[in-house]
Amino acid sequence: GAGVSQSPSNKVTEKGKDVELRCDPISGHTALYWYRQSLGQGLEFLIYFQGNSAPDKSGLPSDRFSAERTGGSVSTLTIQRTQQEDSAVYLCASSLEPSGANVLTFGAGSRLTVL
Amino acid sequence: ELKVEQNPLFLSMQEGKNYTIYCNYSTTSDRLYWYRQDPGKSLESLFVLLSNGAVKQEGRLMASLDTKARLSTLHITAAVHDLSATYFCAVAGSSNYKLTFGKGTLLTVNP
Repeated sequence: GAGVSQSPSNKVTEKGKDVELRCDPISGHTALYWYRQSLGQGLEFLIYFQGNSAPDKSGLPSDRFSAERTGGSVSTLTIQRTQQEDSAVYLCASSLEPSGANVLTFGAGSRLTVL
Repeated sequence: ELKVEQNPLFLSMQEGKNYTIYCNYSTTSDRLYWYRQDPGKSLESLFVLLSNGAVKQEGRLMASLDTKARLSTLHITAAVHDLSATYFCAVAGSSNYKLTFGKGTLLTVNP
């Protein structure tokens, strides 16, 4: 597609529920990233995919967080047993490949509110 | 651990004035990015600086990189209201793919 698409744009959930956030990167972009943006922490790296593999999951805050990517395209970030501190905007980005200039194109984000 | 510091974090300026936003980072890097974010919107790439002494300009914005000082600047010339946004710098560390972001500078340009 023309840009990085994320859904849902807004999600309100109750504490303890599971949520899934979806990212559809730019066609042909092999690298995909998830970041989290919150007021107190700024922008934090969560995970990086190259193709369907995730060589760096170091930013995932806990084992309640997981992500997968299929077909070298769509990625899903899953948060299990959500907590209030998970409330944030989850941003997905993609790039052609992680070399050279490697300019990331970001999606509009999924705003998660945990009540 | 790579740390990126921006200052100021808040900047209120009048139209027509000039100002500079600073971005310092803690470890060696030769790739630095500037992004713009409007309220409720995503991040838009402004500049990527790939080498020491790199300078890029677009309209009223000019970015530069000094890798020896570990410093990048974003200079605003003759500000206009449309430049009001949050500006982030981001630095690629030893791993090419991972960006560490500054906390952002909220710029408000007043008439």
